[in-house]
Amino acid sequence: AQSVTQLGSHVSVSEGALVLLRCNYSSSVPPYLFWYVQYPNQGLQLLLKYTSAATLVKGINGFEAEFKKSETSFHLTKPSAHMSDAAEYFCAVSDLSTGGFKTIFGAGTRLFVKA
Amino acid sequence: GAGVSQSPSNKVTEKGKDVELRCDPISGHTALYWYRQSLGQGLEFLIYFQGNSAPDKSGLPSDRFSAERTGGSVSTLTIQRTQQEDSAVYLCASSLGQGTSYEQYFGPGTRLTVT
Repeated sequence: AQSVTQLGSHVSVSEGALVLLRCNYSSSVPPYLFWYVQYPNQGLQLLLKYTSAATLVKGINGFEAEFKKSETSFHLTKPSAHMSDAAEYFCAVSDLSTGGFKTIFGAGTRLFVKA
Repeated sequence: GAGVSQSPSNKVTEKGKDVELRCDPISGHTALYWYRQSLGQGLEFLIYFQGNSAPDKSGLPSDRFSAERTGGSVSTLTIQRTQQEDSAVYLCASSLGQGTSYEQYFGPGTRLTVT
């Protein structure tokens, strides 16, 4: 069965510093992988997705993630944090072994950005 | 275009009462999902629909929870005899469905408080 592990429930960075949010997955078949962001009191919105094309995926707001099959990882990065990046970030994997509909979400990582 | 909408946005109910939560997906989206997000927790998968059928109900916490979808559009999540542990934000999402990347579009959620 698919699973997703996000390392670190909270990450704190200074404004302008590198953002690195870690995600590892387990999957019996090549997965579809996603990062979603949730701003306070809002629903989730898609940040970026990996669907077996390019392994380096670029998303909105300057975020990108790299699919590394050998490490079963899909870490999210941004070169320079902005105050507006403070939010909760969820890594997710679509269970393609069951048709792709069931999506498993990680527990989330809350990003704090210090001035 | 219109996104996923959910109603009500907030619901306060007494323990033991039944509640109905509504989700209007994006027009043309064949897949619809319900999740539960408890305070400080990640997303807990409840159920998904492909059209009007629900192939996977494994996430429903108990038989007090049920969901239906009619006309391939609106969905209702019903919780009978509510308990305090049902207090959470209930999120609905929709996606285009099979043959796509399965990225999901989320509604703003319904915050349920059981007193």
